[in-house]
Amino acid sequence: SAVISQKPSRDICQRGTSLTIQCQVDSQVTMMFWYRQQPGQSLTLIATANQGSEATYESGFVIDKFPISRPNLTFSTLTVSNMSPEDSSIYLCSVAGGSGGVETQYFGPGTRLLVL
Amino acid sequence: QKEVEQDPGPLSVPEGAIVSLNCTYSNSAFQYFMWYRQYSRKGPELLMYTYSSGNKEDGRFTAQVDKSSKYISLFIRDSQPSDSATYLCAMSFNDYKLSFGAGTTVTVRA
Repeated sequence: SAVISQKPSRDICQRGTSLTIQCQVDSQVTMMFWYRQQPGQSLTLIATANQGSEATYESGFVIDKFPISRPNLTFSTLTVSNMSPEDSSIYLCSVAGGSGGVETQYFGPGTRLLVL
Repeated sequence: QKEVEQDPGPLSVPEGAIVSLNCTYSNSAFQYFMWYRQYSRKGPELLMYTYSSGNKEDGRFTAQVDKSSKYISLFIRDSQPSDSATYLCAMSFNDYKLSFGAGTTVTVRA
């Protein structure tokens, strides 16, 4: 399976600021996704990070709030913009389409975000 | 109605017991079915992946998919304290975007 790292692992931010989360994979993958896990809840898909083109967002998530970049097949960033306390969550990137095949999806360790 | 419903927990079992976890889903177009294990403060870890109806076994873990009933299960045999975690079912269409169940927290008592 792919080895996925995320930076930062955690952060405490003030409302109104923005935070960029990085996701790095140790091998090329076809697909990269960003999920959110709010406290005590399951994972919700934010968007699909498309290499070389704009991300595809799920219902309820917009590019102005969660801009995403994917410059190559091993790296993506998610920015949480103009943060409010409601953005306090764990943000996880996932990858598919590496050596394990496109159907198997692996997750990074997550970034724990607390907005004050 | 949520697309994916997972039996609520928490579950507490003695060491060596069989753990049974279940999810139902509403959309028959789901094609891929996964089980993830998530330890506290960690990312989800892929345990099992299945595509077709039937059973798939991997060591102490068995995944079952019944597409006619829209029902999937995960069984853990000879459970160990190290199996204590939250278990998440997930499924996707052929776009590989995962829809998750709410998760079941399992505690295996030594």
